[in-house]
Amino acid sequence: EAGVAQSPRYKIIEKRQSVAFWCNPISGHATLYWYQQILGQGPKLLIQFQNNGVVDDSQLPKDRFSAERLKGVDSTLKIQPAKLEDSAVYLCASSLRITGVAGRSYEQYFGPGTRLTVT
Amino acid sequence: GNSVTQMEGPVTLSEEAFLTINCTYTATGYPSLFWYVQYPGEGLQLLLKATKADDKGSNKGFEATYRKETTSFHLEKGSVQVSDSAVYFCALNAGGTSYGKLTFGQGTILTVHP
Repeated sequence: EAGVAQSPRYKIIEKRQSVAFWCNPISGHATLYWYQQILGQGPKLLIQFQNNGVVDDSQLPKDRFSAERLKGVDSTLKIQPAKLEDSAVYLCASSLRITGVAGRSYEQYFGPGTRLTVT
Repeated sequence: GNSVTQMEGPVTLSEEAFLTINCTYTATGYPSLFWYVQYPGEGLQLLLKATKADDKGSNKGFEATYRKETTSFHLEKGSVQVSDSAVYFCALNAGGTSYGKLTFGQGTILTVHP
């Protein structure tokens, strides 16, 4: 079974430029997550999709970050314009279903990440 | 809010030494607890999990017990190998309307020398 794919693996841009990251989840996984991992910290959830709908984007800086999951499969995360503090690894993860209110949790499978450096 | 605190790192051990990485959490309700591992150049992988108090998660010789009374989920291994060198993350899912959201600790770098 193929894992979560992400591209590019590395990206260097100057501040105020724009950048986009792509994620292809595991086939059949309805739920997709984007996390931001700043060096020396644990990943922080940016946005969560269930199929092509947003479940949680409370920690997404919406003035500069946007994400979409057209057709409920692939997803794109965009930053425009980038700031120095956006330098981080952006991780995409997917799970079979969303964790329900009843508590059943589904394992999240992570991609290798995209390392962004903003200069 | 929900949070996870891991012991200060990094941790350096000799092969076959005993490993403990401390993890404590703050959460409302009854969270599920996880340990993830990140090997160099790879994505995060689920190492083990526990979904209720007193549950013990185990995998690849690693163990962690969900202790609600001390709000802890410490990771242990009796005899580490060089191949265990990686970054280890403790995480929780608070359940309810948190859905699948994972809250991570800051990570602990483990280096094992031959």
